[in-house]
Amino acid sequence: DTAVSQTPKYLVTQMGNDKSIKCEQNLGHDTMYWYKQDSKKFLKIMFSYNNKELIINETVPNRFSPKSPDKAHLNLHINSLELGDSAVYFCASSPNRGNTIYFGEGSWLTVV
Amino acid sequence: KNEVEQSPQNLTAQEGEFITINCSYSVGISALHWLQQHPGGGIVSLFMLSSGKKKHGRLIATINIQEKHSSLHITASHPRDSAVYICAVLNSGYSTLTFGKGTMLLVSP
Repeated sequence: DTAVSQTPKYLVTQMGNDKSIKCEQNLGHDTMYWYKQDSKKFLKIMFSYNNKELIINETVPNRFSPKSPDKAHLNLHINSLELGDSAVYFCASSPNRGNTIYFGEGSWLTVV
Repeated sequence: KNEVEQSPQNLTAQEGEFITINCSYSVGISALHWLQQHPGGGIVSLFMLSSGKKKHGRLIATINIQEKHSSLHITASHPRDSAVYICAVLNSGYSTLTFGKGTMLLVSP
C-alpha cells in the first residue's frame, strides 16, 4: 500500500488550461505539504496544511490553490497554466510538523 | 546565498568506497533531514536528526548543532546507492523544510 499517493504521475497540458493534482495519505498524519521541484532539481515548499487548515503559504501565485477536503487529502489546483509551471510537484505528509516526512512519488507537469 | 549548502555538488565513486556528503546551514533549526531521490523517482527520508549520530545499515548521519553542520556517510558504496542526496533543515519555529540543492552521487561497479 502506498503511504502517500499522487495522481496523475505525468501530465502534459497546454498553456492557459486548468489542472488538478490529487494527493492522499493513508498514514493518519495531521500535516500535509506541497513542494515544487524545478528544472534544476531544487525543492521549495509551496503549502502546508495541518488538520485541513492552511498553515504555510509561500510566495506562490494565486493561480495555485490547495484544497483539503479532509486531513487525508490535499489537492492542488492550478489555473491558467504557464510554461514556468512545468516542474515536478511532490506531496508529502508528517505526523506533525516536527516529525519524519513521507513523500509521494511526484507528479511531472509539463506545460506546452 | 542559500540557507542550506551542500558539498560536493557531484560525486563519483568506485564500488566499495567510503563516501561523505556535507551539509552546512546558516539558520537555527529544530531538526535536519537527509533525503534520497533516485533518477525519475520519488523522495525517501533517510534520517531525521536533531543531535548526535544515527546509523541505518551502511548509512551514517551526524550533526553538530554548534557548528551548524551535518554529514552523511555511506560505507562500502554500491551502484544502487547512485542517487541525489538532499539535505533539508526544519527551521526553528517555522515548521517547514528548507532544502539544499542536492548532491548527485554516481557509484560505478
